[in-house]
Amino acid sequence: NAGVTQTPKFQVLKTGQSMTLQCAQDMNHEYMSWYRQDPGMGLRLIHYSVGAGITDQGEVPNGYNVSRSTTEDFPLRLLSAAPSQTSVYFCASSDRDSKSYEQYFGPGTRLTVT
Amino acid sequence: GQSLEQPSEVTAVEGAIVQINCTYQTSGFYGLSWYQQHDGGAPTFLSYNALDGLEETGRFSSFLSRSDSYGYLLLQELQMKDSASYFCAVQISSGSARQLTFGSGTQLTVLP
Repeated sequence: NAGVTQTPKFQVLKTGQSMTLQCAQDMNHEYMSWYRQDPGMGLRLIHYSVGAGITDQGEVPNGYNVSRSTTEDFPLRLLSAAPSQTSVYFCASSDRDSKSYEQYFGPGTRLTVT
Repeated sequence: GQSLEQPSEVTAVEGAIVQINCTYQTSGFYGLSWYQQHDGGAPTFLSYNALDGLEETGRFSSFLSRSDSYGYLLLQELQMKDSASYFCAVQISSGSARQLTFGSGTQLTVLP
């Protein structure tokens, strides 16, 4: 199993550009989430999904869109990049039946917006 | 909303024991988790407490007191590889879903 994969690993955008961060998991997990992590801080939830076709907003959803057409994939779209979106983005998945709600994280995408 | 507090930094020597505390304020509380993150890496799951008491996993133990909204992570026989950031996270219910809210993290430095 590859677990959770994310592409790209690094990305530099200019203000106003749009792009999609890709996330895929091969563990057949129903739950998937996107977090952002700013320097010296914890992870903040952007959007999450409890299954294909179902998404909801987390703590910091503004400026981001998500969709979930399959169980495996959960892309995150930046609509119009801003310097405040410079961060490390982590995708995570978890098993709906897991009591601990253990999150399996991807390696992250390091995004810089200039 | 939710809030979590944990120390920003802790330093200890190899072979010692260190405790990282976490206090939280939240509604819809399910449980408290701990994650480890090495520099440049992804967070990895360490432990989970839903009920009061101590959970032990090898050199790591985690404790929860729901009445005090308090938990801690205990690391024994510290090794250099334990130098990392440690995050507590509360699991809350949100409609039909569950969410994790993370603390800001504790940077543990293990000295030789």
